[in-house]
Amino acid sequence: EVQLVESGGGLVQPGGSLRLSCAASGFTFSSYSMNWVRQAPGKGLEWVSYISSSSSTIYYADSVKGRFTISRDNAKNSLYLQMNSLRDEDTAVYYCARSGTWPIAPSIDYWGQGTLVTVSS
Amino acid sequence: EIVLTQSPGTLSLSPGERATLSCRASQSVSSSYLAWYQQKPGQAPRLLIYGASSRATGIPDRFSGSGSGTDFTLTISRLEPEDFAVYYCQQYGSSFPFGGGTKVEIK
Repeated sequence: EVQLVESGGGLVQPGGSLRLSCAASGFTFSSYSMNWVRQAPGKGLEWVSYISSSSSTIYYADSVKGRFTISRDNAKNSLYLQMNSLRDEDTAVYYCARSGTWPIAPSIDYWGQGTLVTVSS
Repeated sequence: EIVLTQSPGTLSLSPGERATLSCRASQSVSSSYLAWYQQKPGQAPRLLIYGASSRATGIPDRFSGSGSGTDFTLTISRLEPEDFAVYYCQQYGSSFPFGGGTKVEIK
């Protein structure tokens, strides 16, 4: 069974930093591209970042470019999101999400349950 | 960056009715890279359609996707009670933006 379990969320002050982690199990992590997607309270989905299976391709939404860094450790079956210079508008539930393989790729076929990040003074 | 605009924002329908949801892109999108998701309150999204028109595993055939270029459509032929939810489109290029969502609510 595919499982994606996020951790590392919490309350942080504006300008602060936080590192999210996602522990993956139930599939060959190193074969799949991964994403971070967020959802502010009561709002829609916002894609944040994408990383290919080998980390050779990385994309960011304009809203986080230069502040957030996505990375992965295939030996540890883990995905990360380093978030710096956090702003109030970064408050959201952050989902770890797997991109499927062909023909589904790069659509997202599995999602974690999310971790809440609150940016507030 | 491509912007996806979904309409209407809310669709009020009765069970058994047909739902037609629109997703319009600010520039042409490859049909291979357009997906639709369903999200219910308190749950993570679920993939419904990929490649603009292919149903994901386990998705009932009352869900169908169509379109090309800048205009895409998700159709639910006959609404079941469990279909009342929020629906999002997403495109894949050098960024993967979602549309703003369409809420399908019970009339």
